[in-house]
Amino acid sequence: KAGVTQTPRYLIKTRGQQVTLSCSPISGHRSVSWYQQTPGQGLQFLFEYFSETQRNKGNFPGRFSGRQFSNSRSEMNVSTLELGDSALYLCASSLEGGGQSTQYFGPGTRLTVL
Amino acid sequence: QQQVKQSPQSLIVQKGGISIINCAYENTAFDYFPWYQQFPGKGPALLIAIRPDVSEKKEGRFTISFNKSAKQFSLHIMDSQPGDSATYFCAARVTGTASKLTFGTGTRLQVTL
Repeated sequence: KAGVTQTPRYLIKTRGQQVTLSCSPISGHRSVSWYQQTPGQGLQFLFEYFSETQRNKGNFPGRFSGRQFSNSRSEMNVSTLELGDSALYLCASSLEGGGQSTQYFGPGTRLTVL
Repeated sequence: QQQVKQSPQSLIVQKGGISIINCAYENTAFDYFPWYQQFPGKGPALLIAIRPDVSEKKEGRFTISFNKSAKQFSLHIMDSQPGDSATYFCAARVTGTASKLTFGTGTRLQVTL
């Protein structure tokens, strides 16, 4: 089975721009979660989507948004980029989410904001 | 508010030695505690996980010890190998909050020859 794939792997943007990141979960997985990883703040939960609905949300400003499509693929959008948004954005998928459902992480998208 | 505290920040262990990483949590609603291993350029990968009704879980060279009363859990890597050199994260989750994992700050492990 193919793992979680994320595109693009690397991205360079300038302040004020917006960016869209994509995540394709493992086949059959319906839950997709997004995390931001930075050296200073570590791994922080952004949001989770399940069956095209946002099921959980972390403490990030409204500039961070996402969506999930009927095939469980998910996109994450960041508008009006700030320097502090430079990070590794990780996507994780699981069968149903919650319980003891294992989350499988993708390799991440490295976003650099100049 | 950091809900999962992890220590040490970095660790150097000789090949064949035991690596020990500790985590402490505050939220008593947490009921699932996984450990993830991350290599440079890769996403975190699940190593082993435990529920609070079990005090210890072992998988190969990796063991989780769990102390519910102290709200602490630890990862022990026996017979540490250079290939174990990576960053390790503890995490915690409340079952009812779906997939939201709260991570520790990570421990960079280096296993020397």
